[in-house]
Amino acid sequence: KAGVTQTPRYLIKTRGQQVTLSCSPISGHRSVSWYQQTPGQGLQFLFEYFSETQRNKGNFPGRFSGRQFSNSRSEMNVSTLELGDSALYLCASSLQGRRFGSYNEQFFGPGTRLTVL
Amino acid sequence: TQLLEQSPQFLSIQEGENLTVYCNSSSVFSSLQWYRQEPGEGPVLLVTVVTGGEVKKLKRLTFQFGDARKDSSLHITAAQPGDTGLYLCAGARGGNEKLTFGTGTRLTIIP
Repeated sequence: KAGVTQTPRYLIKTRGQQVTLSCSPISGHRSVSWYQQTPGQGLQFLFEYFSETQRNKGNFPGRFSGRQFSNSRSEMNVSTLELGDSALYLCASSLQGRRFGSYNEQFFGPGTRLTVL
Repeated sequence: TQLLEQSPQFLSIQEGENLTVYCNSSSVFSSLQWYRQEPGEGPVLLVTVVTGGEVKKLKRLTFQFGDARKDSSLHITAAQPGDTGLYLCAGARGGNEKLTFGTGTRLTIIP
């Protein structure tokens, strides 16, 4: 079974531009989560989508947005890029929705390395 | 506020030595996971623990979930260069709570 794929793997943008990152989850997985990883802040949760609906959101400004399509593929968009947005953006998929007491086993993609100049 | 604190932050030891990495929180988690991440790649899930006091073994790696489900440890026996990487713990508090990641431990095994 193919793993989580993310495109592109590397991206260089300049301040003020916008960027769209793509994530294809493992086949059959309906939940997709996005994370930002930086040396200073570690791995921080951006948002989670399940069945095309945003189910959870982290503490990031509105410049960060996402969506999920009917085939569970997800995109993340960052508008008006800032230097501080330079990071590794990770996508993770999991099998199904979580119920109380269940645990969320996530499988990560290789990430998109975004550099903002 | 970082909910999950890992220690040590950096660890560099000789091949063949034993080591323990800690993941601590003041919050209770319904489950806790450990991941290993190598440069240029995403984290890879090693184990999930869900019961207080639970111990799981994965070859030379032993994972323990604290009785109160607030902390966890990862013990590696006879470390090998292939164990090098960033180790991350991550906790979930049940229901639809998002996964919270720890601060990470960067482990280097010297041949």
